[in-house]
Amino acid sequence: SAVISQKPSRDICQRGTSLTIQCQVDSQVTMMFWYRQQPGQSLTLIATANQGSEATYESGFVIDKFPISRPNLTFSTLTVSNMSPEDSSIYLCSAGLAPDEQYFGPGTRLTVT
Amino acid sequence: AQSVTQPDIHITVSEGASLELRCNYSYGATPYLFWYVQSPGQGFQLLLKYFSGDTLVQGIKGFEAEFKRSQSSFNLRKPSVHWSDAAEYFCAVAPGYSSASKIIFGSGTRLSIRP
Repeated sequence: SAVISQKPSRDICQRGTSLTIQCQVDSQVTMMFWYRQQPGQSLTLIATANQGSEATYESGFVIDKFPISRPNLTFSTLTVSNMSPEDSSIYLCSAGLAPDEQYFGPGTRLTVT
Repeated sequence: AQSVTQPDIHITVSEGASLELRCNYSYGATPYLFWYVQSPGQGFQLLLKYFSGDTLVQGIKGFEAEFKRSQSSFNLRKPSVHWSDAAEYFCAVAPGYSSASKIIFGSGTRLSIRP
């Protein structure tokens, strides 16, 4: 197994500001993924982050709104830019450590006022 | 396109009773299927997975799931639930057997346990 940590665990932000969420894995991994879980909803994949290349975004998500960095094989950040109340969600990162398993971080609960 | 359907939004069962959570998938080839549980304070955890072989798979915490290709289903079962099983359960599908595979989640089923 692996340990994935996220910072911050929660935050309350004002609309129009930005928040950067950090994801740290205790093992080197090729791929990391960022998900959003809106209140009462399932997980929706935002983007896939591969070290050394641009993140690949899913339909409905754009880099200007959710810029992602992947500077090395154990770390990634997701920034939620120019926030609005609709961005209030739990943001989770995950990492593939084995061909058949992905592990999830504990999530960052974001509230935008 | 791949999709996962969990028809039950919320289920309540009595402690000690059996449980079955339904999951149906839509995918052209043999899918890779998962069940995850999201519990308050414990985050997101993999319960079990199916890639090939025996269609009845055993997972953690006494859960099992059965893959039925003819019904495009992957239902989760437990013979006797405990109060600690109250959580949100997500069925998921992935197209590839790789750490790089995207996972698509169903809408989730919230399980409540009646004392």
